[in-house]
Amino acid sequence: GPKVLQIPSHQIIDMGQMVTLNCDPVSNHLYFYWYKQILGQQMEFLVNFYNGKVMEKSKLFKDQFSVERPDGSYFTLKIQPTALEDSAVYFCASSLNRGGDTQYFGPGTRLLVL
Amino acid sequence: SQLAEENSWALSVHEGESVTVNCSYKTSITALQWYRQKSGKGPAQLILIRSNEREKRNGRLRATLDTSSQSSSLSITATRCEDTAVYFCASPSNMGYKLTFGTGTSLLVDP
Repeated sequence: GPKVLQIPSHQIIDMGQMVTLNCDPVSNHLYFYWYKQILGQQMEFLVNFYNGKVMEKSKLFKDQFSVERPDGSYFTLKIQPTALEDSAVYFCASSLNRGGDTQYFGPGTRLLVL
Repeated sequence: SQLAEENSWALSVHEGESVTVNCSYKTSITALQWYRQKSGKGPAQLILIRSNEREKRNGRLRATLDTSSQSSSLSITATRCEDTAVYFCASPSNMGYKLTFGTGTSLLVDP
């Protein structure tokens, strides 16, 4: 089936540093998402991006977070500066349509902030 | 949580047995999706059932939706060891952009 790729698979950084998580979504998809999952807990929505804009975001999407997809390349999540509580697995997803259409998830990036 | 799996948070069955995971939700939905997440992987959608549907099948999987009781179930027949995973129900927001996931039920299928 359609595949979403995420780079890197793991990242360890010091608190206060900047980190960029990269996502290569399904090629013809138009809607892009980031979710956060702390070990053993449920998946939580961060943000949706469509047509160059943030369409919906949650309270977890702090001011230190930003997303972009310059020129149809990687869809990125940048955290600047990072905090200890940002340690989690971050999943990228993409879908062709919204409104309950199937979202395809990547394998996740495991971020550890020390 | 808007969505919650009503079973215990963990189930264990022997290979070949059937198992059902239940989900309840608090607000009206346009669709409900069942996802499976295997250890170390991202979630993968199993079944999408829309609010005007009562039942949907996908191979050994069967999902039901009861909008009057605001509940859904996912049944797996003839379970296999590879069905071992965490199962989530999820529903899209009113704006249609985000998925809200339930708390998840961890299923272990023993050989």
